[in-house]
Amino acid sequence: SYVLTQPPSVSVAPGQTARITCGGNKIGSNSVHWYQQKPGQAPAVVVYDDSDRPSGIPERFSGSNSGNTATLTISRVEAGDEADYYCQVWDSSSDHFYVFGTGTKVTVL
Amino acid sequence: QVQLVQSGAEVKKSGSSVKVSCKASGGTFSNYAISWVRQAPGQGLEWMGGIIPIVGTTHSAQRFQGRLTISADGSTSTAYMDLSGLRSEDTAVYYCARELYNNSSNWLDPWGQGTLVTVST
Repeated sequence: SYVLTQPPSVSVAPGQTARITCGGNKIGSNSVHWYQQKPGQAPAVVVYDDSDRPSGIPERFSGSNSGNTATLTISRVEAGDEADYYCQVWDSSSDHFYVFGTGTKVTVL
Repeated sequence: QVQLVQSGAEVKKSGSSVKVSCKASGGTFSNYAISWVRQAPGQGLEWMGGIIPIVGTTHSAQRFQGRLTISADGSTSTAYMDLSGLRSEDTAVYYCARELYNNSSNWLDPWGQGTLVTVST
């Protein structure tokens, strides 16, 4: 089955830029979606289709996808961005239609 | 704006079953599919299966086949996830979520608030 690999943790100072990677074989040929999960809360999408943002998500959140790596970029990081982030692709040929990455904990220093 | 509200926490004995509900409001229930995703304590997200209520078609990950039943009641805009043969490894928060899609991909938005299922031995 398709495997998506993320770094377990990323630390960033307020006002700086956080980059979270999601590695997968030829992931650039898939659409990638990103979810933010704050402690005790359900996940919520912050970027879909590689780089689109749902209404209400700040422009500070952006995404890119090429080759074997997709990236979620959080610019001008704020304390409220501290959360777990998961990438996801949809693979109808896989047993798990929705394949999630391993997750990355973003810590704001 | 679609909202999904799930039933409350459950404590179950090993070997028993649990049924979690997910009630939708703010949209036309039959127009979209619902997926179920679980998250064990301190772990990541795992897709379990889903249903297209308008036709009743279900799909599920192979590891849950035989134990997982997903259903929906259009008259009450409610989806259900029934997991049998519970074991300690099934202790997790279970989420429902609406499936969105375009030409190339599917994603999940919004999500229910989650239901904690604790399996005791």
